[in-house]
Amino acid sequence: EDQVTQSPEALRLQEGESSSLNCSYTVSGLRGLFWYRQDPGKGPEFLFTLYSAGEEKEKERLKATLTKKESFLHITAPKPEDSATYLCAGQKLVFGKGTKLTVNP
Amino acid sequence: EADIYQTPRYLVIGTGKKITLECSQTMGHDKMYWYQQDPGMELHLIHYSYGVNSTEKGDLSSESTVSRIRTEHFPLTLESARPSHTSQYLCASSELRDGEQFFGPGTRLTVL
Repeated sequence: EDQVTQSPEALRLQEGESSSLNCSYTVSGLRGLFWYRQDPGKGPEFLFTLYSAGEEKEKERLKATLTKKESFLHITAPKPEDSATYLCAGQKLVFGKGTKLTVNP
Repeated sequence: EADIYQTPRYLVIGTGKKITLECSQTMGHDKMYWYQQDPGMELHLIHYSYGVNSTEKGDLSSESTVSRIRTEHFPLTLESARPSHTSQYLCASSELRDGEQFFGPGTRLTVL
């Protein structure tokens, strides 16, 4: 059974304090791992697609990486506007529960 | 900015009523999806469509039905709403890969 697990469930950072979010997956025939950002009361917003181990994608303060078993979303020097829930999903549209990130000023 | 719309945004309705949640996109995407999401929980795929007159059920069993008569329109219908249907319903569309989706703002449904 395809499964996507995210950790931690919640993360509280100070502005400027870098950290990483984890997404581990057991998806047969993985043909892509996807990261989304979801703000309260809104639909998710697509961030990145990763296809193969070793691949990296960057957008502003976010960098996503992929290994054979997991993906990381690295947040460098976060700002309060980065506060959101970050979701990852496998190709078969199996989503994790997300990591709720709060960045305090 | 993605152009995908959902109406209504909020709906409070009594048990047994028939409801239709609307979803429209102006991007010409062939692929469209419906998800259900409870607070603090993951999204669950309930229906998807890869084109006009093509609909499939997702991984989460749902009593809802969908139709795809036009490319831009993908409504979801509940024939008889129950309190267990209370949730947020999110519609999405995709041009190419399933995982790269544009989401609408969602409809928050409460069934009393």
